[in-house]
Amino acid sequence: AQTVTQSQPEMSVQEAETVTLSCTYDTSESDYYLFWYKQPPSRQMILVIRQEAYKQQNATENRFSVNFQKAAKSFSLKISDSQLGDAAMYFCAYFNNNDMRFGAGTRLTVKP
Amino acid sequence: GAVVSQHPSRVICKSGTSVKIECRSLDFQATTMFWYRQFPKQSLMLMATSNEGSKATYEQGVEKDKFLINHASLTLSTLTVTSAHPEDSSFYICSALGAGAFYNEQFFGPGTRLTVL
Repeated sequence: AQTVTQSQPEMSVQEAETVTLSCTYDTSESDYYLFWYKQPPSRQMILVIRQEAYKQQNATENRFSVNFQKAAKSFSLKISDSQLGDAAMYFCAYFNNNDMRFGAGTRLTVKP
Repeated sequence: GAVVSQHPSRVICKSGTSVKIECRSLDFQATTMFWYRQFPKQSLMLMATSNEGSKATYEQGVEKDKFLINHASLTLSTLTVTSAHPEDSSFYICSALGAGAFYNEQFFGPGTRLTVL
């Protein structure tokens, strides 16, 4: 079974600084999708960024970018110029053939 | 992006009763929907995959007779918690699988908080 590991239960960053959240996964598949979701206190899941495994180029969305290392099965999220509104739970997720697995999550705190 | 709604957002029921939660894709058709359960301060756990017009596929350890899933149309999936007990209290989240430009992307509903007394 595919597993997703987020080894940082909590992270803290100063406003305007950069923070990186880690994620590793285990799979025997060659084609799959990886996601980072944000879950604020409202508990609505919000897609931050997605990466197709067959694409070598790292995905970017404004202040959010990933470092996708397929061979190492690593998928970290970098948040640049952190804002107070970035504070939330962040979940890394793996998706393949209707099978979605989430990591345990990382709680990000942004200090003013 | 696409919008997914859930109803109700909160429900409180007595032990032994059944509760139905609806998940709707508002502006797109979803042949596949997913149901998740999330306990406080924990991650989302996939309960089942719901396919329009066919039986749902349940994850190991999820009781099919307890959590009835019906996906009768391309915009609606329902989860019925039968004979609910306090241990079924949780946050239930559905998602719908996108198509076209949103292929393989899931759109999440806002969730339903179930409290069983």
